[in-house]
Amino acid sequence: DQQVKQNSPSLSVQEGRISILNCDYTNSMFDYFLWYKKYPAEGPTFLISISSIKDKNEDGRFTVFLNKSAKHLSLHIVPSQPGDSAVYFCAASAQAGTALIFGKGTTLSVSS
Amino acid sequence: DTGVSQDPRHKITKRGQNVTFRCDPISEHNRLYWYRQTLGQGPEFLTYFQNEAQLEKSRLLSDRFSAERPKGSFSTLEIQRTEQGDSAMYLCASSLALATSSGYTFGSGTRLTVV
Repeated sequence: DQQVKQNSPSLSVQEGRISILNCDYTNSMFDYFLWYKKYPAEGPTFLISISSIKDKNEDGRFTVFLNKSAKHLSLHIVPSQPGDSAVYFCAASAQAGTALIFGKGTTLSVSS
Repeated sequence: DTGVSQDPRHKITKRGQNVTFRCDPISEHNRLYWYRQTLGQGPEFLTYFQNEAQLEKSRLLSDRFSAERPKGSFSTLEIQRTEQGDSAMYLCASSLALATSSGYTFGSGTRLTVV
């Protein structure tokens, strides 16, 4: 049973527009959430995280929103750039520093 | 420190052979994690260590898999009697215990192909 779900396998956005990537989770014990970006033949690169005590965290062009009641989080990238084209993974854990559970990823394509 | 280092980058082995991978974490990180990723899937958790202690193992980690971190620094992951289903990217990550803002740092992975 998938505990972290990314229901959109792919997303296409034009340069300069907003990219919104979504993630749902089922385990109410999760309290630490992260987004990673992955290029082919490389390991995942950490983007941004949020703990369950917050509902928003922002870092430059990246903002993560957490809706605990809906068990939903989203990553907003604005403005989107062609270099943002990659696979984006949502991950969650019951506590920071323990096992991360990943979704299957969403492939983002940003066209110029 | 240049990040998390994994060796080798690629490994091709015959079914039934044993293989061992190495991971060197970021030096000040006391937690080290192993993940496996297959095509079209996200990374799947295998096991993690705090210093030399193995704190959690996934049910994915069958009896043919063993991981060690003998001195709390580098770690090895061994797969005995490899099977074609073991073909995957094996990823290592490290972090500080209870790190929140910095996430987990991943290496570039070891691509295993069992023929």
